[in-house]
Amino acid sequence: GAGVSQTPSNKVTEKGKYVELRCDPISGHTALYWYRQSLGQGPEFLIYFQGTGAADDSGLPNDRFFAVRPEGSVSTLKIQRTERGDSAVYLCASSSTGTDTQYFGPGTRLTVL
Amino acid sequence: AQKITQTQPGMFVQEKEAVTLDCTYDTSDPSYGLFWYKQPSSGEMIFLIYQGSYDQQNATEGRYSLNFQKARKSANLVISASQLGDSAMYFCAMREGLTGGGNKLTFGTGTQLKVEL
Repeated sequence: GAGVSQTPSNKVTEKGKYVELRCDPISGHTALYWYRQSLGQGPEFLIYFQGTGAADDSGLPNDRFFAVRPEGSVSTLKIQRTERGDSAVYLCASSSTGTDTQYFGPGTRLTVL
Repeated sequence: AQKITQTQPGMFVQEKEAVTLDCTYDTSDPSYGLFWYKQPSSGEMIFLIYQGSYDQQNATEGRYSLNFQKARKSANLVISASQLGDSAMYFCAMREGLTGGGNKLTFGTGTQLKVEL
């Protein structure tokens, strides 16, 4: 079956611009997670959705970052007024109800010039 | 304090040999889970193995086994019969709280494994 997909695979933008990153989880997975991975580091948690609602957004670094999951499936991570420090790989993961194992997508590499 | 510590930035192993990748963790929650993921140069995180804090036996998945020593708070990954395709970055991660609670994973900094002929 299809795994987690993320688009685009690469995004280059200029400082101050707005970007949207999309995640399509494994079909039927109710939980969806966003992580950010900087070079040479492990992924860091950003936000977790259970269904349509954000159950934990404690990892969002500031109010420039926002994520939605309006129909409980696809999610979009939105970054306003991008900064060079936002450059990283943004990973999405999903898991099914009652389990812990998170399955990751290939990531979106964001570069802010 | 770091919740997940991986002290080996890089490891080398000969093909067909076994290798142990170290991971120690820190939590006061009695319910937690420990995971290992593999990240090849392509970038995708691949789930390898899971150990729950209440599991009595060490987890095994094919050539992967997890050496879980609860009192020492360690969860080392053992890869047997290494293959060239095992060359990748390996991350240890922890979930705190009950199973299925949807809790986030906290990752270590990873160990880069290189398998040599």
